[in-house]
Amino acid sequence: QVQLQESGPGLVKPSETLSLTCTVSGGSISRDAFHWNWIRQSAGKGLEWIGRISVTGSTNLNPSLKSRVTISLDTSKNQFSLNLRSLSAADTAMYYCARVPLTRGILGDFFDSWGQGTRVTVSS
Amino acid sequence: DIQMTQSPSSLSASVGDRVTISCRASQSISTLLNWYQQKPGKAPKILIYAASTLQSGVPSRFSGSGSGTEFTLTISSLQPDDFAIYYCQQSYSTVFTFGPGTKVDFK
Repeated sequence: QVQLQESGPGLVKPSETLSLTCTVSGGSISRDAFHWNWIRQSAGKGLEWIGRISVTGSTNLNPSLKSRVTISLDTSKNQFSLNLRSLSAADTAMYYCARVPLTRGILGDFFDSWGQGTRVTVSS
Repeated sequence: DIQMTQSPSSLSASVGDRVTISCRASQSISTLLNWYQQKPGKAPKILIYAASTLQSGVPSRFSGSGSGTEFTLTISSLQPDDFAIYYCQQSYSTVFTFGPGTKVDFK
């Protein structure tokens, strides 16, 4: 049973960079069978998909955040990470990492495993 | 982006009730529509994918239907464990988007 666990600071200052890591256990992140995603949830915007990374390191990012986001993969640690730059109060949210099994388009993309989430507050 | 809307935004129901939640997409998304359940303090949990396919381990009282722009999640007989918020999500576009949620609470 795969498990995902987010880690990172709970409080970050405006204009700084948020760095979060998702550690995957119970399965290899290197299997070419999944995409690895970041999603956030706030009272104001609801659930918002941030972006994803494949085992090859290829990323797809939400255009609304693309200029500020980097997602990377560390297969040696079975982790993937999110960097979000130039933070503002609008980035205050619960951040989740989640897995999407590859169905080759037939069944679409759905998030079948999630981390428990990490709450991030942007405040000075 | 494809915009997702849900109705109602909230509903009150009793154990044993049949509950129906609607989700509408701003353009046709074929059957690339998923449903999630979220309880307080927890991450969303996948219930149904590809509009009507029940995720393994999800009770059969949950069902999904629809295609194009109109979709429905049905709970045939509401159980105490089902009081939660339900979200739809489309994967037709590579920019995944979610509905605003429907809260199901006790009547």
